[in-house]
Formats: sequence, structure tokens, C-alpha cells
Amino acid sequence: AQTVTQSQPEMSVQEAETVTLSCTYDTSESDYYLFWYKQPPSRQMILVIRQEAYKQQNATENRFSVNFQKAAKSFSLKISDSQLGDAAMYFCACAGGGNMLTFGGGTRLMVKP
Amino acid sequence: DAMVIQNPRYQVTQFGKPVTLSCSQTLNHNVMYWYQQKSSQAPKLLFHYYDKDFNNEADTPDNFQSRRPNTSFCFLDIRSPGLGDAAMYLCATSRDLWGETQYFGPGTRLLVL
Repeated sequence: AQTVTQSQPEMSVQEAETVTLSCTYDTSESDYYLFWYKQPPSRQMILVIRQEAYKQQNATENRFSVNFQKAAKSFSLKISDSQLGDAAMYFCACAGGGNMLTFGGGTRLMVKP
Repeated sequence: DAMVIQNPRYQVTQFGKPVTLSCSQTLNHNVMYWYQQKSSQAPKLLFHYYDKDFNNEADTPDNFQSRRPNTSFCFLDIRSPGLGDAAMYLCATSRDLWGETQYFGPGTRLLVL
């Protein structure tokens, strides 16, 4: 079994500032994948970033980066230079050992102009 | 450019009246998924197809069925919708199982009267 916990139901950030969204997970598998998905209001869910657990290096994608702490089972998402278009629900997810994707409860990010 | 298409975007049905939601993909992916998402919650996997192999989640109600007549199309049938089935239904695809990025459609919002 695997679980994903996002402890921040809502976050807000000022435009152009940096924000970090928290995620912790638990899996008994040694081989697994972690994801951050973004779901804007009334729009489809899209992948933000994907991390393979066996890779030490933190994944980055333009303004989005993760802090993957394997021992602590933590996978936080940092958004730099926040833009109004970053406002969305963000879901952290884990897939390990052939299991289906398990999502966290989501964090709603608001961006203030 | 549309990769995962869902029709209709909004569906209104009556309590107990069967309804079918459709999903098509242009990615030629092997796996297609159906998720149920209620307001401000994480998506909940109902079932998935790997090619023609159907896999039902253990807690998916019998009221929900699915068909995949070919690689491109997948349908979600709700035989007797109840008020509790009102939700957003998301279709997603992935090239393969486990660890692969899932590509989501825009969803169909189902309202049950």
C-alpha cells in the first residue's frame, strides 16, 4: 500500500515570489515514481514534474523544481517567480511497485497580483 | 492538438437513468483510465484498461462499467446513477503501466437530478 499526504490544503503567494508546496509519501516499494500534477480551474490536469526514486538528482522543469528527500519520504514542489497562471490545485502522487497512482489530497495555490 | 478528448463536457441525467461518457485519445497509448473526482478532492481511480485487459478497482461500485472497443476509445457506463454519483469524471491515458506519465482529458461533469 502507498499513501500520499499534502498537509497544506491552501497556499497563497505573491506574484513573482517563490512558494513551496509540501508532500510526504509512504511506500514499502524500493522502486517508485513521484509526480506533481497541476489542475487549473475548469481545465485539465497536466503533469508538472516527474521524479524517479532511484535518481538522486532533483527534477526541474523551468520554474518548477522538487526537493526530493528519500530518507524522509518527502517530495516538495518549489515554484519560482510565481505567475497568475500558476493558480491551480496541485496534486502530489506516487506510483510504486506496479501499483496504480495514489494522489494526495491536493493543495490549492492562489497567486496574488 | 487535442490528445485526450472527453464528450460531453457536461452531462445532466435523471436519477436511475443510464448514462454513457466517452473518451478518445490520439496518443495511441496502451492504457486508459477512468477516475471519479468530487469537489476539491483527489481523483479516485475506478478502473483501467491495459490494451483489452480490464482491471476494476476493488471498491468501484457495480453500477459502473466500462468498454474499450478499440485502442482509441473508452466508455464509462453508469447503469443507474444515484445522487452520489454526481462528480467530475476524468479519463487519462499512459503509454504503459506504472511510473508512466498520465495524460488527462478535460473531464465530464455529471449532474444527477
